[in-house]
Order: sequence, then C-alpha cells, then structure tokens
Amino acid sequence: DAKTTQPTSMDCAEGRAANLPCNHSTISGNEYVYWYRQIHSQGPQYIIHGLKNNETNEMASLIITEDRKSSTLILPHATLRDTAVYYCIVRGTLNYGQNFVFGPGTRLSVLP
Amino acid sequence: GAVVSQHPSWVICKSGTSVKIECRSLDFQATTMFWYRQFPKQSLMLMATSNEGSKATYEQGVEKDKFLINHASLTLSTLTVTSAHPEDSSFYICSAREPPTYEQYFGPGTRLTVT
Repeated sequence: DAKTTQPTSMDCAEGRAANLPCNHSTISGNEYVYWYRQIHSQGPQYIIHGLKNNETNEMASLIITEDRKSSTLILPHATLRDTAVYYCIVRGTLNYGQNFVFGPGTRLSVLP
Repeated sequence: GAVVSQHPSWVICKSGTSVKIECRSLDFQATTMFWYRQFPKQSLMLMATSNEGSKATYEQGVEKDKFLINHASLTLSTLTVTSAHPEDSSFYICSAREPPTYEQYFGPGTRLTVT
C-alpha cells in the first residue's frame, strides 16, 4: 500500500504557483520523498526527490517539513502543459529491492 | 537522464491472439525491470519484477502463464500477453532500474486494445 496521502484533485490558474501537498506521516529516517507526474497516456515522468533538505531543480521545488511528515511540491509558474496526475512516493535507501508504489495521486488541472 | 523506450506504443489485436511488448533501456544497463498495468482513471499497479537472467517475480493475482516476461539481456525485457482477451486491454508501462544509484526510469507506455 502507498505510504502517502494526497488530495484527489486541485486547480491552478496558468502562470500562478501550484502547490501540491503530500502527507507521509509514517516515513522513516532513511526514506526519500519522490515526485513523479503522469500526463495523459504517457509514462510517469520524474520531477524531483529529497531526503530532508529542500530541493530545487529546473522543473520544481520540494519543501519537506522539519519533522518530514509532509512535503509540498511547488511548480513556480504553472502552464497548461503541467496538467497531469502528480504522484508523491516514499522509498528507502535500504530497500532498493522494492519498486515504487503508486497511490492515486493528485490530478492537477491548470486553467487558462 | 536515462531513457527507457517501449515498442510498440500502441497495438490492437484480436481476442485469442498473443502480443509482445518490448522495453529497452537505451543508455544504461538495467539489471532489474518492472512491468506495470494501468486501467483507465486508475493508478499504476505493479505486475511483475524481472531480473536479468532469472525468472520474473509476479505480484499476487497476476497470471504468470498469461503474462510471459523475458529479461534476456541487460537492456531488453519483453512482456507477452498470451491468448489476449478484451479485459486485458490496458496501458502497460515498463520501468528500469539503473545501478548503482538504483534510480528508476519509466517508459512511455504501450496501449493495448483487444477486440
């Protein structure tokens, strides 16, 4: 079972920041938080991942709370092409034998 | 980043026939590959894990005789849907793990429609 909970859906205005929350209250110390997204009829696309520090790349920023029980993915300037299902996944460094377990994710709709 | 390809991107077959889907890691060697299935408006569900040179490990409820997986090389895994039925129509996605980082990369998916 997925170890994360996310809102089912969210809307965001084009050009505004999209903030997608994720709860992972049972995360353990060696588990990373990963974010993927899936645009309709495509495979999942890697966005970003982090352990405890905030991370930023060309796609997004990841803010992880100090207790690591939740995180927020930030798309700073959402475009229509960012409309997708966003998955928050936790995976440990000691269980590489495990694959990614996908929950239902958050369906983000970017509105013009 | 590493690239994973799938072929074909979509396929239509008649009920009772078999269809093969290929998954390739293009610029890295993948000792482990995963096959997922995704029905409309649902999330990805893991079907099986394949390790190069050994038998695949199937998830509970997935028929290993129906979904044949072969991982004969470090860059290629194949999924064969045997005696396909309309209920096998789905979006099939493969994923490959790159050592030594163990990061996992996903293919673009294959849409199978069984008529």
